[in-house]
Amino acid sequence: GESVGLHLPTLSVQEGDNSIINCAYSNSASDYFIWYKQESGKGPQFIIDIRSNMDKRQGQRVTVLLNKTVKHLSLQIAATQPGDSAVYFCAEHTGGFKTIFGAGTRLFVKA
Amino acid sequence: NAGVTQTPKFQVLKTGQSMTLQCAQDMNHNSMYWYRQDPGMGLRLIYYSASEGTTDKGEVPNGYNVSRLNKREFSLRLESAAPSQTSVYFCATRTGTSTDTQYFGPGTRLTVL
Repeated sequence: GESVGLHLPTLSVQEGDNSIINCAYSNSASDYFIWYKQESGKGPQFIIDIRSNMDKRQGQRVTVLLNKTVKHLSLQIAATQPGDSAVYFCAEHTGGFKTIFGAGTRLFVKA
Repeated sequence: NAGVTQTPKFQVLKTGQSMTLQCAQDMNHNSMYWYRQDPGMGLRLIYYSASEGTTDKGEVPNGYNVSRLNKREFSLRLESAAPSQTSVYFCATRTGTSTDTQYFGPGTRLTVL
């Protein structure tokens, strides 16, 4: 989910379980959405994207779901691994060259 | 390919000092961006350059200037640093096509005392 202050929402899961990270986006006109993963001390990395004419897209162990009715995006990670521990944030493309980034959710994977 | 590189990785400044953050990319991308990231907040766009020779303000441009030196390089300058500019700064590039995937550098952690 989106941050409401200095502390990021946190999701803690057991290794091997599935993770679901949610994001509420702001602009109903946004036409392209991206999930990024940011490990500690590193820059964000692209995970998966989806266009507004789709409601689901699958990658390797990751699935993104888009619900335009309620402006909601989710990232599902299957069989979560310790290496998945990171901050995950969604981004929406509102047209032109600008992107709006969410504050992120911190995922902890317990071994 | 190095992708997107940033220098320096860390910097400490005193209030009022100036400095330039450097960014270079070898991806042949047209668009380049400067963001700042503060605890608990999303990336905020400072300036961007849609293509060589153009620059535009983003969400939080005050206190910063940029130069798109050529297609590869995009620098961010703080003329008179303030404690409010303590942050992690990321440079990113984008192809400039309809896909908006951005490729980020490793970041510069700046502290202004």
